[in-house]
Amino acid sequence: QQQVKQSPQSLIVQKGGISIINCAYENTAFDYFPWYQQFPGKGPALLIAIRPDVSEKKEGRFTISFNKSAKQFSLHIMDSQPGDSATYFCAASRGGGADGLTFGKGTHLIIQP
Amino acid sequence: EAGVVQSPRYKIIEKKQPVAFWCNPISGHNTLYWYLQNLGQGPELLIRYENEEAVDDSQLPKDRFSAERLKGVDSTLKIQPAELGDSAVYLCASRGTGAASFFGPGTRLTVL
Repeated sequence: QQQVKQSPQSLIVQKGGISIINCAYENTAFDYFPWYQQFPGKGPALLIAIRPDVSEKKEGRFTISFNKSAKQFSLHIMDSQPGDSATYFCAASRGGGADGLTFGKGTHLIIQP
Repeated sequence: EAGVVQSPRYKIIEKKQPVAFWCNPISGHNTLYWYLQNLGQGPELLIRYENEEAVDDSQLPKDRFSAERLKGVDSTLKIQPAELGDSAVYLCASRGTGAASFFGPGTRLTVL
């Protein structure tokens, strides 16, 4: 049973455009939702995270939108740059992040110059 | 501040051989996790430590995998014997008092 479903699997966006990646979860006990960025040969790096009492969180060009009733959350990357080309993972956890993360399968993002 | 340190970065072994991975978490982080990442997939939790106690090892295949964190700091993950299907990246992460987990660079294991 896949508890966190992520889409699309791959995404190509033009430089300066908006990249949007979506995730849906099943376990209503999840209470912490981070996004990670991973470059080839590197470990995942935390980008931004949200808790379910907030519907949106913005940090620089990265925004998380959260819909608790639909059990969905998404990552928006504004003004996408070639350096943003990477694999992005959504994740979810219980216990405010303590329980360990359940990851989506990832989105391979390519920003074309 | 140093991040999570893992070694070795790469390991190639033949099947049925033993292998061990080492992790040094961020200083002061009491929580340590080991994850497995298969090619093209998201990481999957293997085990979680709170200090020296394994509080969740439900996803650790205990017939061949073992882990320890004897002094509540460094940790070692061992596979004995390794199988072809164990080829993957093994990631270590640590967490302090906040919610965020920080990952190391991983150890890429190839089993021939």
